[in-house]
Amino acid sequence: GDSVTQMEGPVTLSEEAFLTINCTYTATGYPSLFWYVQYPGEGLQLLLKATKADDKGSNKGFEATYRKETTSFHLEKGSVQVSDSAVYFCALLTGANSKLTFGKGITLSVRP
Amino acid sequence: DTGVSQDPRHKITKRGQNVTFRCDPISEHNRLYWYRQTLGQGPEFLTYFQNEAQLEKSRLLSDRFSAERPKGSFSTLEIQRTEQGDSAMYLCASSLTSGKPDTQYFGPGTRLTVL
Repeated sequence: GDSVTQMEGPVTLSEEAFLTINCTYTATGYPSLFWYVQYPGEGLQLLLKATKADDKGSNKGFEATYRKETTSFHLEKGSVQVSDSAVYFCALLTGANSKLTFGKGITLSVRP
Repeated sequence: DTGVSQDPRHKITKRGQNVTFRCDPISEHNRLYWYRQTLGQGPEFLTYFQNEAQLEKSRLLSDRFSAERPKGSFSTLEIQRTEQGDSAMYLCASSLTSGKPDTQYFGPGTRLTVL
């Protein structure tokens, strides 16, 4: 079945550091890939998405490229801010069904 | 605010009681989803509706769980005879089918604690 694997957390960075959060997937067919973010006390928010191989999703300085050859969708940001502290979830959606399959999530803490 | 709303935000109940949660999707969205999230895990799919029709149910959804979307707008999720293992965050999401992969928009969730 479909699955998403995220790197183990938590991750703690200093402000302005470079961020990479790894995400790999297993899926039947050709999934769409998503990153969702959950800020403290809030619901899940869509951060970015990519719907086909080599697409790059971007938003708020975050980027992720859909790599079919490595079945990966790693999230990157060049310079993190304290306000980026949150839990980040990688997810996939296949055409065969409508349910999102999520990774376990990773907590990012950015210190001033 | 025209996002997905859920009510209540928190629910504490005793084991064996029934609980019901409500979700109001974004108004023009025809699909509505329920997920469950336990501590330290990502959300897990429970069920989804397209308009009034419940099109898929997860094996996670035991017979004690029932969901409805009677008029194709809001939805309710009922848990009968709650168990401590039902304690979780229950998330609702909605989307609009457009011929492209749907983007699901989530509500703030209902946190259930079963004592």
